[in-house]
Amino acid sequence: GNSVTQMEGPVTLSEEAFLTINCTYTATGYPSLFWYVQYPGEGLQLLLKATKADDKGSNKGFEATYRKETTSFHLEKGSVQVSDSAVYFCALSGAGTASKLTFGTGTRLQVTL
Amino acid sequence: EPEVTQTPSHQVTQMGQEVILRCVPISNHLYFYWYRQILGQKVEFLVSFYNNEISEKSEIFDDQFSVERPDGSNFTLKIRSTKLEDSAMYFCASWSLPVPQYFGPGTRLLVL
Repeated sequence: GNSVTQMEGPVTLSEEAFLTINCTYTATGYPSLFWYVQYPGEGLQLLLKATKADDKGSNKGFEATYRKETTSFHLEKGSVQVSDSAVYFCALSGAGTASKLTFGTGTRLQVTL
Repeated sequence: EPEVTQTPSHQVTQMGQEVILRCVPISNHLYFYWYRQILGQKVEFLVSFYNNEISEKSEIFDDQFSVERPDGSNFTLKIRSTKLEDSAMYFCASWSLPVPQYFGPGTRLLVL
């Protein structure tokens, strides 16, 4: 079945540092890939998505590229802010956008001044 | 921006009691989902619902669980006889093209 593996957290960075959160996946066919973010006390919000190989999703300075050859969808941001502190979830959905999401375990990011 | 809402935000119940978690999906969405996250673990799919019937369910979604859309706006998850291991955060989500799934803020369920 489908699965998503994320790097363990927590990740603690100073403001303006470079962020990478690794995500790899196992899936049949051609999944769509997502990053969701959960701020303290809030629900899951879509951060970015990519629906086919070599697509780059981007939003709010975050980027991730759908790499089929390495089955990866790593999240990056060049300069993090304190307001980026949250839990980040990598997820995939199988063929057919209506299909369920399979999530990674989530990575907590803490950004300090 | 449209949003999915969930009530209650927190629920404490005794083992063996029935609970109903409520969700109001985005109004023009057609697919509805429940997920749960046990503390410190992955967000797990429970069930999807389309056209007034279950379209897919996971192994977790056993006979103790049921879903319904009673009035065209609410989407509910019922747990008939709660167990300690049902303690988790429960998320509702809804979807229609062209956007990905929108999630609600979750209901934190604690079974004592």
